[in-house]
Amino acid sequence: DQQVKQNSPSLSVQEGRISILNCDYTNSMFDYFLWYKKYPAEGPTFLISISSIKDKNEDGRFTVFLNKSAKHLSLHIVPSQPGDSAVYFCAASLLNTNAGKSTFGDGTTLTVKP
Amino acid sequence: DAGVIQSPRHEVTEMGQEVTLRCKPISGHNSLFWYRQTMMRGLELLIYFNNNVPIDDSGMPEDRFSAKMPNASFSTLKIQPSEPRDSAVYFCASSLVLTSGHTDTQYFGPGTRLTVL
Repeated sequence: DQQVKQNSPSLSVQEGRISILNCDYTNSMFDYFLWYKKYPAEGPTFLISISSIKDKNEDGRFTVFLNKSAKHLSLHIVPSQPGDSAVYFCAASLLNTNAGKSTFGDGTTLTVKP
Repeated sequence: DAGVIQSPRHEVTEMGQEVTLRCKPISGHNSLFWYRQTMMRGLELLIYFNNNVPIDDSGMPEDRFSAKMPNASFSTLKIQPSEPRDSAVYFCASSLVLTSGHTDTQYFGPGTRLTVL
């Protein structure tokens, strides 16, 4: 049973427009959520996170929204830039347990066209 | 800080051979994770350690896979014997888990691309 799902394997948007990447989870115990970004031939790097006590966290062009009742989170990138083209992984964790373990989705490949 | 270091970056081997992947976590981090990334299965957690002790190895696919962390600055993932279906990118990541339980994010190494012929 995959506990974290990213149902869209790929997304293509025009430069300057908004990119919205979605993620669903099944375990209601998850209380910390993260987005990682991965370029080819590199490891994933942390992008932004949100605690379950919040419904929104913003960092520059990146905003993560959390809807606990729907067990859904999304990453908004505004405006999108060609350098944002990468694979984006959603991850979920249980704070204070599991020694920092995160469960990852399969990733969504974002392509931002100039 | 050099970040998480993995070696080798690329490994090509023949079926049946032993493969050893190495990882040096960020100094001061106390949790270490081994992942495998494939097109079919995405990013899978194989095993993770906390304070050098294996916590959960339920993601290790078979007995052919083994991992060790003899000290806080070094870990290995071994495949013996290797098979073509083991071909993937293997990532090591480390993080700092505080005594309060709060965890920092994970920092990934660049990965080892393994090809088993």
